Order: sequence, then C-alpha cells, then structure tokens
Amino acid sequence: AQKVTQAQTEISVVEKEDVTLDCVYETRDTTYYLFWYKQPPSGELVFLIRRNSFDEQNEISGRYSWNFQKSTSSFNFTITASQVVDSAVYFCALSEAEQGAQKLVFGQGTRLTINP
Amino acid sequence: GAGVSQSPSNKVTEKGKDVELRCDPISGHTALYWYRQSLGQGLEFLIYFQGNSAPDKSGLPSDRFSAERTGGSVSTLTIQRTQQEDSAVYLCASSLASGGAGANVLTFGAGSRLTVL
Repeated sequence: AQKVTQAQTEISVVEKEDVTLDCVYETRDTTYYLFWYKQPPSGELVFLIRRNSFDEQNEISGRYSWNFQKSTSSFNFTITASQVVDSAVYFCALSEAEQGAQKLVFGQGTRLTINP
Repeated sequence: GAGVSQSPSNKVTEKGKDVELRCDPISGHTALYWYRQSLGQGLEFLIYFQGNSAPDKSGLPSDRFSAERTGGSVSTLTIQRTQQEDSAVYLCASSLASGGAGANVLTFGAGSRLTVL
C-alpha cells in the first residue's frame, strides 16, 4: 500500500535561514511519481515538482531544491534563504505510475512559518 | 476553462440535509479527483474519474457519499443526510491521464467549504 509520512508537523524559522522539509514514502511499485505541493494561507494548492522514480538526480529551482534518495525512500525539500512568502503548508505526495490516471496519496503536511 | 472551478465556494447546511458540490475541470483533462481536507488536516482521497468512469472510489467514507461525472467534464459530489463530521473543505482536481510531462500532475480548484450545523 502507498503511504507518505511527513514527520515534521510544524517548523518555524527566521527569515533567511535554510530549512529542509522531510518526506518518507512507502510503495511496492518500482515505478512511481513523487510530488510536492504548496498550500499558502489563501488555501489553493500549488504544484511545485514531480519526480519520476527512475530519475534520482537532485533538482534545483531558484531557492528550492529537492533531494530524492531511493535507498532511504525519501524525497526531501530544501528552501534556501527562506522568505516570509514561503510561509505555507507543504505536502509531499506519491502516485503509482500504472497506465492512465492514478490517485495521489498525500502526507499530512508540514506547516512552515517564516518569521521576519 | 483556464483553471479548475468549484461551486459553491461556501455552503452552510443543517444536519440531515443533502448537498451537492460541483467541479468543472480544466478543458481537455480526462482525469478528475475529489479530496477532502478537514480543519488542519491533510488531504483525504475520496474518488477519481477517468472519463466518466470511476476506477477508484475507495475513499468515499460511507454510502451517503456519491459522485458522478457526465460528458467527461463536470462532476458532482453529493452528500446525503449530512452529519457534522462531514464539515470540511472538499477539493477537486484534474489532470491529463497519461503521457507527457503533465501526466498525473493535479491542478486543484479553490475548494468548497462545507459547514454542517
């Protein structure tokens, strides 16, 4: 069965600090997708990244970076030089990549607060 | 449309009444999903559609919950005889079903906030 665990319920840091959000997943499939979504205070979920299970290259997008390690079933998300606008709830999700559409299973989310 | 549209944005109802929540997905997205988010909680999967059929409805909490999709487009989530524990934000999302960079990337609507008194 699919499962995503985000052990950090809440994180609070001061602006400009780096912060890493942890995500650990469980799946029996060898082919799957991993995702991160951001839910700002406005409430609407925003897609950040999708990673294929065969691609373990780390990805960097501006201040955001993702570290995918199959050996530890983790897909961690790091924000460098955090800003107040990064305050949001962040969700990690997993989808098994069978043919056609598949549901995403989400973790419980990590509430990130960036203090000025 | 340009995004996923949900209505109503807010619904307050009395316990025991039926409610219908509507989702209009992005044009061309063949997959449609319903999730529920209770206050301060994560996203709970309810059901998804591929076209008009629902391959996975395992997340529907009880037989009071049902959903349909017609014309491969608009979907309606119906909750009968609402209970207070049904109070939550109901989120709809759509995606391309297969192939390409967009596959399984869900685009979410703003949600329908349901309050059962």
